[in-house]
Amino acid sequence: GAVVSQHPSWVICKSGTSVKIECRSLDFQATTMFWYRQFPKQSLMLMATSNEGSKATYEQGVEKDKFLINHASLTLSTLTVTSAHPEDSSFYICSAPATGQGGYTFGSGTRLTVV
Amino acid sequence: GESVGLHLPTLSVQEGDNSIINCAYSNSASDYFIWYKQESGKGPQFIIDIRSNMDKRQGQRVTVLLNKTVKHLSLQIAATQPGDSAVYFCAENSGTGGFKTIFGAGTRLFVKA
Repeated sequence: GAVVSQHPSWVICKSGTSVKIECRSLDFQATTMFWYRQFPKQSLMLMATSNEGSKATYEQGVEKDKFLINHASLTLSTLTVTSAHPEDSSFYICSAPATGQGGYTFGSGTRLTVV
Repeated sequence: GESVGLHLPTLSVQEGDNSIINCAYSNSASDYFIWYKQESGKGPQFIIDIRSNMDKRQGQRVTVLLNKTVKHLSLQIAATQPGDSAVYFCAENSGTGGFKTIFGAGTRLFVKA
């Protein structure tokens, strides 16, 4: 089945630094990927839709200059959290439309802790 | 981003019993619905989906019911097992907005052995 590989699985960074999270579609091409953020005991909140070869579409209230998304190829989308602050600490998850099954395929998530 | 609800209700069932998890969705224009299972520290896993032209769909040990009149979804798990313990989310898609998926609040299922 379709697999999305997400790295890193966890990262700890200092306040003010930037962190890049990668999502790769391993056995299929993903022209679109979605990025979510999930705080503890809460649901997944859609942050942005990443489109290969064009600009990402951000949800209302999500700062595009803080959460930089790049989707330069059909198999790779990246999310960079710039100038991270403790309130950015969260679980970040990507997904792509699945092939061969219903729904969407999700990455394994990245636990970001900003200290 | 959008979301349906901010709470995480819990459901506790005995192993072997049937579980019913409910969800209210927000957009009457949504035409595709998905149930996901999320274990701690992992991404969501697809369980079952249903399109708006159906009101029931069955999978292996799972059944999804859709009531468009009241914008309600339910997930039924037969003979619940300890491995079913997780958080379950319903999600809705509409043809507008680039087919983005909006997640419901989630329900934590505890299965007692």
